[in-house]
Amino acid sequence: EIVLTQSPGTLSLSPGERATLSCRASQSVSSSYLAWYQQKPGQAPRLLIYGASSRATGIPDRFSGSGSGTDFTLTISRLEPEDFAVYYCQQYGSSLHPAFGPGTKVDIK
Amino acid sequence: EVQLVESGGGLVQPGRSLRLSCAASGFTFDDYAMHWVRQAPGKGLEWVSGISWNSGSIGYADSVKGRFTISRDNAKNSLYLQMNSLRAEDTALYYCAGAAAGTYWFDPWGQGTLVTVSS
Repeated sequence: EIVLTQSPGTLSLSPGERATLSCRASQSVSSSYLAWYQQKPGQAPRLLIYGASSRATGIPDRFSGSGSGTDFTLTISRLEPEDFAVYYCQQYGSSLHPAFGPGTKVDIK
Repeated sequence: EVQLVESGGGLVQPGRSLRLSCAASGFTFDDYAMHWVRQAPGKGLEWVSGISWNSGSIGYADSVKGRFTISRDNAKNSLYLQMNSLRAEDTALYYCAGAAAGTYWFDPWGQGTLVTVSS
């Protein structure tokens, strides 16, 4: 079973700053199987990045994903007020057994 | 418009059962594997169960295996989750989510239905 760890747990930044979120897997994950989601209070998660680096439809280009193997990164180049939220990485293991990381909260400094 | 609408949540006593439903519209339902993902109050996302497009492949989280049963009816564009022997730790907002065939991520998502297990 692949376990995902996200760091930091909370990231306190100001609008306009760059956010770098980390997702580490306990064993190697195919990049095709790594996704990122954004969740705002009272809302369902929203797909941001799939295949480790491809933006989902309608996602602004300030969001980017990178990484391979066990280390993946979500970068928000310049934080907008609407970007303050919780971000989850997710891997899709074999036999219909996906898993999420514990999340990183990006809040306003 | 692509839409997933969950229903069936509510307050239930420990040990009792509940059946959740998810109605899909706006996309070709049988082109998607479907999943249930839950979120306990103030906590993160936990995958619960998933089912392939033709029900040929099914998976469960260890925390619900033997107690929950996922199913789908492609003719009705619907997904279900039968939850038996409910425990307090099953209290959560339950989302249904789709994963298009050949993909490994969840999109779309419903808005969730709340299940509260308490005496």
